[in-house]
Amino acid sequence: EAGVAQSPRYKIIEKRQSVAFWCNPISGHATLYWYQQILGQGPKLLIQFQNNGVVDDSQLPKDRFSAERLKGVDSTLKIQPAKLEDSAVYLCASSLDRGTQETQYFGPGTRLLVL
Amino acid sequence: GDSVTQMEGPVTLSEEACLTINCTYTATGYPSLFWYVQYPGEGLQLLLKATKADDKGSNKGFEATYRKETTSFHLEKGSVQVSDSAVYFCALSPNNNNDMRFGAGTRLTVKP
Repeated sequence: EAGVAQSPRYKIIEKRQSVAFWCNPISGHATLYWYQQILGQGPKLLIQFQNNGVVDDSQLPKDRFSAERLKGVDSTLKIQPAKLEDSAVYLCASSLDRGTQETQYFGPGTRLLVL
Repeated sequence: GDSVTQMEGPVTLSEEACLTINCTYTATGYPSLFWYVQYPGEGLQLLLKATKADDKGSNKGFEATYRKETTSFHLEKGSVQVSDSAVYFCALSPNNNNDMRFGAGTRLTVKP
């Protein structure tokens, strides 16, 4: 079974530029998550989708971050404009459903450096 | 809000030593508890989980018991190997949603 795919793996941009990340979850997984992991910290949830609807985006900085999952499968996360403090690893995860006992499967992440 | 606190690292052990990484949680209700591991250059992987009090999760020689009375979920292994070198994350999922809360991670290095 293929795991969660993410691209690109690395990205370097200058502040005020825009950037987009792509995620393809495990086939059949209804729930998709985007996390931000700053160096030395645990991942922090940014947004959660159930199929193509947003379940929780309370921690997403909506003035600069946006995300979509239009057909309920792939998802993109965008930052526009980027700030220095956005440097982090952006992790995508998916689970079969939304239950609290559901295991989340993580992709390899996209490492972003903002200069 | 619901959260976990895990012991700070880094932790350095010799091969075959005993490992304990402490994790305590704060939650309303009855969360599910997880340990994830991140090997060098790889993504987060679920190591084990427990979904109710007194449950014991186990995998690859690692164990953790969900202790409601002490609000803890300590990770233990009786004999570590060099291949166990990784960052270990304790996490909880509140009982009313799937907003996973992670600890800061503990880096383990096992030396031959």
